[in-house]
Amino acid sequence: EPEVTQTPSHQVTQMGQEVILRCVPISNHLYFYWYRQILGQKVEFLVSFYNNEISEKSEIFDDQFSVERPDGSNFTLKIRSTKLEDSAMYFCASSEGAGRWDEQFFGPGTRLTVL
Amino acid sequence: DAKTTQPTSMDCAEGRAANLPCNHSTISGNEYVYWYRQIHSQGPQYIIHGLKNNETNEMASLIITEDRKSSTLILPHATLRDTAVYYCIVRANAGNNRKLIWGLGTSLAVNP
Repeated sequence: EPEVTQTPSHQVTQMGQEVILRCVPISNHLYFYWYRQILGQKVEFLVSFYNNEISEKSEIFDDQFSVERPDGSNFTLKIRSTKLEDSAMYFCASSEGAGRWDEQFFGPGTRLTVL
Repeated sequence: DAKTTQPTSMDCAEGRAANLPCNHSTISGNEYVYWYRQIHSQGPQYIIHGLKNNETNEMASLIITEDRKSSTLILPHATLRDTAVYYCIVRANAGNNRKLIWGLGTSLAVNP
């Protein structure tokens, strides 16, 4: 069964450093998403991406964040200068984006720890 | 903010049906009811969704009231592996507004 994959599973970085989180969405999906979950808190939407551009973003997704689909398979989230409060699980998701069955499929997540 | 309210926690005996309620009294006509679950620290997993008719798949059944203001997710024969946080989310399926807005969900404990 096709699945969303994410790398790395755990990333440790120093405050102020740049990180890139990588995701490989399901191959025929058209919509891509990033969510995050701070330990013990709700899952929060960050950004959605369709047709090579951002279709929606939350207040969390400020100028420090960017997304890219550099090739036909990868979808990346970059945090330019990490802060302590960026420590969280980051989940990538993808969906077909068509019709009634637009469920989002999630990857296993990347745990980001900012020291 | 999430447009749904769910009990904080529930218990269920292994092998019995788990019935998880959700209130969504402000749901709009074009919004679907989605259910996801999250097993400890893993990525959320899609379970089922529906608009107004009841739905069933290999994982669960979804019962939506006629006025669409509430729904119930039914796991017919709960197993220990169904212990997870279950999220009820309402969302339209059209346009570019496809984000999922998450509440705190219901923490379901399936006991042996």
